Amino acid sequence: KAGVTQTPRYLIKTRGQQVTLSCSPISGHRSVSWYQQTPGQGLQFLFEYFSETQRNKGNFPGRFSGRQFSNSRSEMNVSTLELGDSALYLCASRRRGGAYEQYFGPGTRLTVT
Amino acid sequence: DQQVKQNSPSLSVQEGRISILNCDYTNSMFDYFLWYKKYPAEGPTFLISISSIKDKNEDGRFTVFLNKSAKHLSLHIVPSQPGDSAVYFCAAKETSGSRLTFGEGTQLTVNP
Repeated sequence: KAGVTQTPRYLIKTRGQQVTLSCSPISGHRSVSWYQQTPGQGLQFLFEYFSETQRNKGNFPGRFSGRQFSNSRSEMNVSTLELGDSALYLCASRRRGGAYEQYFGPGTRLTVT
Repeated sequence: DQQVKQNSPSLSVQEGRISILNCDYTNSMFDYFLWYKKYPAEGPTFLISISSIKDKNEDGRFTVFLNKSAKHLSLHIVPSQPGDSAVYFCAAKETSGSRLTFGEGTQLTVNP
C-alpha cells in the first residue's frame, strides 16, 4: 500500500507571496492532519480534516488554511508569507473508527526569503 | 505551554545496550500515547503506542511504559542498533479528539 505523498518536496518563496501544498493520504484513510516543524521545536498541529470538513484547528493565524477534497486529498495554503513560516510542513493520515496512529508523509520544506 | 516534554535533547548509547527515552506530560486529559522515529529528510514513522488503561506495551525490541500517576512515559529499545539512530518524538492524544501533541524530540545516537 502506498504511503502518504506530499508535493512539492521543496519550495522557495518570497515574503508576501502565498503557497499551496498538497497531500495524498494512504488509500482508505479519510482523515488528514497538517503539522509544522521548525528547528528546535516539535511538531505543531495546524488542522485536521475529515470528510471535507475541518474537525480541529491549532493555534495558527488565519493566514494558514486548508481544505479536503472528496477523494480525501488535502491542500494547505499559507497567504502573505512571513520569514517565520519557513519550516517543514508534514501531512499525516489515519483511519477513522478508533485508530489513533497517524502516518506521515515526507514533508514539504518551505523556505521563505 | 508545553504539555508534552522530552527533557533530553540527545542520548548516546553503545550498540547492544539499552536505550531509554523519556517523556513527561502535564495534561490529565491525554488518554493515548505514541512514539515516532524520524530520520533526516523523512517524515516521522510510527513506532509503538499505548492506551492510558495499560502500563506497558511491547513490540519486538521496543517497549513503552506508562506511569499515569507520575505523568511519565518511556520508550525502551533493547538491544540498540546503529540503525536506531534518529530523532524520537513522543506524542499524546486527548480524550476529546484525535489531534496529537508532540514533544520536542530526542536525538538518539547508537555507536557501533
